[in-house]
Amino acid sequence: EVQLVDSGGGLVQPGGSLRLSCAASGFIFTNYWMNWVRQTPGKGLEWVANIREDGSAKYYVDSVKGRFTISRDSAKNSVYLQMNSLRVEDTSVYYCVNSRGYWGQGTLVTVSS
Amino acid sequence: QAVVTQEPSLTVSPGGTVTLTCGSSTGAVTSGHFPYWFQQKSGQAPRTLIYDTSNRHSWTPARFSGSLLGGKAALTLSGAQPEDEAEYYCLLYYSGLGVFGGGTKLTVL
Repeated sequence: EVQLVDSGGGLVQPGGSLRLSCAASGFIFTNYWMNWVRQTPGKGLEWVANIREDGSAKYYVDSVKGRFTISRDSAKNSVYLQMNSLRVEDTSVYYCVNSRGYWGQGTLVTVSS
Repeated sequence: QAVVTQEPSLTVSPGGTVTLTCGSSTGAVTSGHFPYWFQQKSGQAPRTLIYDTSNRHSWTPARFSGSLLGGKAALTLSGAQPEDEAEYYCLLYYSGLGVFGGGTKLTVL
């Protein structure tokens, strides 16, 4: 059974940092791109970043470039999102999603003073 | 950055057929955009219905189908059920960068 388990969310002050994790199981991790997608409660979905199967390419939405870094560890079957210089507008539920369309359960990030 | 457009809202009668579309500001949508379709019901996490234009997941009811139609990606629902009332989002990729549409609120009435 495919499982993606998101973790690492929480409350952080503006300018702070968080590292999100997504633990994958039930599929061959190195065969799939991995994405992070976010959703502010009551609003639409926003694609945030993704990383190629072997980690050799990474893409980001403009609003997070230079602040967020996506990475993956094939030994741990995990993907990460390092979020620095967080802003109030980064407040969202963050989901990892693989390129076959399996979703994690999401983790809430709240940026507030 | 490209803009992906969806109908803001659509209504379908129970048992009826409706097509949701997903257009791109850069031109025709092709299989190279790897269109995805997601369903999100109120208070729930999204789930994937269609990936890579037309591939269903095991949990995707057969009444949903994905295609390319008139330069857009399309999600057709044939034989709408009350439980299909939800928000539907499409996602397109542009050389690695993903862009979601704004979503279509589908009412079954």
